[in-house]
Amino acid sequence: DIQMTQSPSTLSVSVGDRVTITCRASQSVSNWLAWYQQKSGKAPKLLIYMASRLDSGVPSRFSGSGSGTEFTLTISSLQPDDFATYYCQQYNSYSYTFGQGTKLEIK
Amino acid sequence: EVQLVESGGGLVQPGGSLRLSCATSGFTFDTYDIHWVRQPTGKGLEWVSAIGTVDDTYYPDSVKGRFSISRENAKRSSFLLLTNVRAGDTGVYYCARKTVAGLDHWGPGTLVTVSS
Repeated sequence: DIQMTQSPSTLSVSVGDRVTITCRASQSVSNWLAWYQQKSGKAPKLLIYMASRLDSGVPSRFSGSGSGTEFTLTISSLQPDDFATYYCQQYNSYSYTFGQGTKLEIK
Repeated sequence: EVQLVESGGGLVQPGGSLRLSCATSGFTFDTYDIHWVRQPTGKGLEWVSAIGTVDDTYYPDSVKGRFSISRENAKRSSFLLLTNVRAGDTGVYYCARKTVAGLDHWGPGTLVTVSS
């Protein structure tokens, strides 16, 4: 199975900060990589698919990049509503593994 | 509006069984794959099963042989049968619609607690 490793696990940040989260796959997943945002007690929400495409209605401060085994999620200027946990997920093969998540905390 | 709603969660004893349901509306159900993802309390997301449009099914090794996914297109619903459950199966179970964009719509989840 393909393993997904996210870093960091936790990030202490402030409103207005530029935030970068990294996701690494144990083997190539091409660009079949999605990013989700999850707030406490809620279902995950799709942010980015195919590594770099924004889902409908997602603010433009979110962006994704990468291909193969290295991917990043960037938030250009963190807003109060962005404090949440973020997960990457590969959907290149039918193991559909998630990264372990990155929690954004208020500094 | 696309909607998915899970039901059937609850308390189940170790070794027991439980059947979860995912009722959907707002899209052409029989043209989409449906996935199930679980989340132990305070932990991350784990993909646990998927069913395609031709009833092809997929599972990770952690649940293979114990979980069984199905769908009933006439009812616009998917089902996840959990058997021989363990404490590690405790968590919130979500169903989600799969597109080329990944899992683009999710239900609110249903809580499964495995305990004696």
